[in-house]
Amino acid sequence: DARVTQTPRDKVTEMGQEVTMRCQPILGHNTVFWYRQTMMQGLELLAYFRNRAPLDDSGMPKDRFSAEMPDATLATLKIQPSEPRDSAVYFCASGRGRSSYEQYFGPGTRLTVT
Amino acid sequence: AQSVTQLGSHVSVSEGALVLLRCNYSSSVPPYLFWYVQYPNQGLQLLLKYTTGATLVKGINGFEAEFKKSETSFHLTKPSAHMSDAAEYFCAVSEGQAGTALIFGKGTTLSVSS
Repeated sequence: DARVTQTPRDKVTEMGQEVTMRCQPILGHNTVFWYRQTMMQGLELLAYFRNRAPLDDSGMPKDRFSAEMPDATLATLKIQPSEPRDSAVYFCASGRGRSSYEQYFGPGTRLTVT
Repeated sequence: AQSVTQLGSHVSVSEGALVLLRCNYSSSVPPYLFWYVQYPNQGLQLLLKYTTGATLVKGINGFEAEFKKSETSFHLTKPSAHMSDAAEYFCAVSEGQAGTALIFGKGTTLSVSS
């Protein structure tokens, strides 16, 4: 059963620290999305990639967030420096080719910044 | 720009009763529409999708939804609620092109009482 995996599942860190979240998309999926979920804002798109190239990162605070795909099996989302308002659940999702509008979500990384 | 409105942030039903979760969308192009379900501390799972063709679509766990273009709606229904249906449900829209992101509604929490 192919699934999107995310690590870590939970992360607690202090303000100012760097946070790195990782995502392994489903094998063969060429589109990767990063979403953030909060009580106030709901689910928001942060960035997404197709064939490892960034297509849209307009949802990310550019001064502190960065997203990359070092290879086809790994996507990373970094926050440096982290702030309490970054506390949220971060989801990665992947899709395949012309059907990549149909997205499969990972279990999420719950980030708490104190 | 696309948007999704889910009417009712919380819906409560009795076990065995009809489930109706409402979703209205706005889109300047023919939309692709989705319902996702999220159980506590888990990622989002695709329930069903409408892309083209038949406007009544059936999904997993006995859910179905009907695309009504004239009403710009995509309401989710299930004839008989089960306790295990208690979760948060998200309606989403996309332009349907490969690699485009989903725009999510704020979500509706479904409670099922015995």
